[in-house]
Amino acid sequence: NAGVTQTPKFRILKIGQSMTLQCTQDMNHNYMYWYRQDPGMGLKLIYYSVGAGITDKGEVPNGYNVSRSTTEDFPLRLELAAPSQTSVYFCASSRTSGDTDTQYFGPGTRLTVL
Amino acid sequence: AQSVTQPDIHITVSEGASLELRCNYSYGATPYLFWYVQSPGQGLQLLLKYFSGDTLVQGIKGFEAEFKRSQSSFNLRKPSVHWSDAAEYFCAVGEGGNKLVFGAGTILRVKS
Repeated sequence: NAGVTQTPKFRILKIGQSMTLQCTQDMNHNYMYWYRQDPGMGLKLIYYSVGAGITDKGEVPNGYNVSRSTTEDFPLRLELAAPSQTSVYFCASSRTSGDTDTQYFGPGTRLTVL
Repeated sequence: AQSVTQPDIHITVSEGASLELRCNYSYGATPYLFWYVQSPGQGLQLLLKYFSGDTLVQGIKGFEAEFKRSQSSFNLRKPSVHWSDAAEYFCAVGEGGNKLVFGAGTILRVKS
């Protein structure tokens, strides 16, 4: 049982490039989340999903897109990378709604945009 | 919208000393409250959570937290800190609509 896995661990992008951050969970959780963490700012919710085929915006969705074609996978797409997207990105999942249930976090992806 | 305030950005305690990390929230009803811990280079892990009932909740690794409605607080405590407790600690409140709101975090340093 690997829990929540994220790839890559580190990535450097040039301004204007695109990339996909991968997230997979093997706990059969319906709810999945993408957060970004900036120093001194805590975690901000980018997008979340309550099940396959259903996604919704969080607090800071601009510049990102998501899809949820399976229960296990919840990739985050960055289009036209900007320096403001330099951050650490965490994926999380929960069995039921994440505002009342335990969220399980992946190890994170550290992204730098130059 | 709900908000969470962690007034202390950094705290340093000696190994073996007691610890209290402060958390204040704004929320109209009885909140769902959480403490998560992030060790260096790792994702977050749940320490404990409060929904209702006994206002003193026990968590993993010897941590406990007390919900005080009158003070809108949910402070985290540990009677004796170990060097392995050095990490960043986040308080969070369930906002409804599947969302958690996190505080900015408190970095705990443990000196030997």
